[in-house]
Amino acid sequence: SQQGEEDPQALSIQEGENATMNCSYKTSINNLQWYRQNSGRGLVHLILIRSNEREKHSGRLRVTLDTSKKSSSLLITASRAADTASYFCATDADNNDMRFGAGTRLTVKP
Amino acid sequence: KAGVTQTPRYLIKTRGQQVTLSCSPISGHRSVSWYQQTPGQGLQFLFEYFSETQRNKGNFPGRFSGRQFSNSRSEMNVSTLELGDSALYLCASSPGLAAGGTGELFFGEGSRLTVL
Repeated sequence: SQQGEEDPQALSIQEGENATMNCSYKTSINNLQWYRQNSGRGLVHLILIRSNEREKHSGRLRVTLDTSKKSSSLLITASRAADTASYFCATDADNNDMRFGAGTRLTVKP
Repeated sequence: KAGVTQTPRYLIKTRGQQVTLSCSPISGHRSVSWYQQTPGQGLQFLFEYFSETQRNKGNFPGRFSGRQFSNSRSEMNVSTLELGDSALYLCASSPGLAAGGTGELFFGEGSRLTVL
């Protein structure tokens, strides 16, 4: 079963705009991760945020985590056409088992 | 280091057949996880192996099985294939938390199985 649920399911923006995706999860976690997947390819790790962290940055990415609301958001600033992909959040319900959400399909129009 | 390698990349089978997929993890990684990805169900966890032991298993029927060898390479097998088994099967490796890993998974490109 899936642990996380992303919102929205699909997002279409213009190049240069910011993209925000949200993730909600159900149980306590040790960390939450975001991954990107280009069509039909493997997933690529973007960023990990631990349960005792509230915000983390990596380049144009900003992730927030609110454990009281069991939610996280991923912000991509100044988006590019190359950012077009599906984005997934993943949580470790226990340390041996990463569960993924259904993903947000992001389209960045040039 | 070479990345996670999955073979074959594409395969076509017919209902009732069985299939074996292979995954070679990144050198030094002892944990291998398998996921099934379909448009309708998304990414579903199949199982996770560490040092040849299955540590966790998802909610799949017994037709889905796997194993891990002493060199950490892993295989998964699906017997008596059904149309609904058509999917992208993804393998991911990690060092394991005890080996200093952060929990980050490193994915292969997947094996796309079509069942006719």
